[in-house]
Amino acid sequence: EAGVTQFPSHSVIEKGQTVTLRCDPISGHDNLYWYRRVMGKEIKFLLHFVKESKQDESGMPNNRFLAERTGGTYSTLKVQPAELEDSGVYFCASSQGLAAEEFFGPGTRLTVL
Amino acid sequence: DQQVKQNSPSLSVQEGRISILNCDYTNSMFDYFLWYKKYPAEGPTFLISISSIKDKNEDGRFTVFLNKSAKHLSLHIVPSQPGDSAVYFCAAFGLNSNSGYALNFGKGTSLLVTP
Repeated sequence: EAGVTQFPSHSVIEKGQTVTLRCDPISGHDNLYWYRRVMGKEIKFLLHFVKESKQDESGMPNNRFLAERTGGTYSTLKVQPAELEDSGVYFCASSQGLAAEEFFGPGTRLTVL
Repeated sequence: DQQVKQNSPSLSVQEGRISILNCDYTNSMFDYFLWYKKYPAEGPTFLISISSIKDKNEDGRFTVFLNKSAKHLSLHIVPSQPGDSAVYFCAAFGLNSNSGYALNFGKGTSLLVTP
């Protein structure tokens, strides 16, 4: 069974540019989460989808971040325009049910110069 | 406001000995706790979990202990092996907490097991 995949693995962009991260959850997992780890600090929750609906987006830092999950399959996280403090590793995770073990992807390392 | 704390950023243990990783939490609404293991350039991998109705859960060399009154949990690895060297994250959530189903992570403890 394929795990959670994320694309790209690395992205280096300049301040002000736009970047779109993609996450493909494990097939059949309705729950999809985005997390971010900045500069070796704790991994912080960004948002949670149940199928195509945003269940909880309380962790989204500001309106420069836009997440979508059209059709309830893969999800994208767009940062526009990117700022220096957006640099970090963005993890996606999925789970079959609520309160179930979350499976993480390898992460996308974003560097904003 | 960090609700899950791992106060030891690193730990070094000799192969064969016990590794003890500690975690404290502040939110009394948390009722499910997990440990994740992370290798460089990889995502966190689930290791072991414990529900608040238990005080111990064991899986092979890994045991998690939960002390609800102290809001403290620990992960014991016995015996430690060099392949256990990784960053270990403590995570928690509470179905009725204000963070919903989102995992609240600690900053991680980097474990090094030396031969």
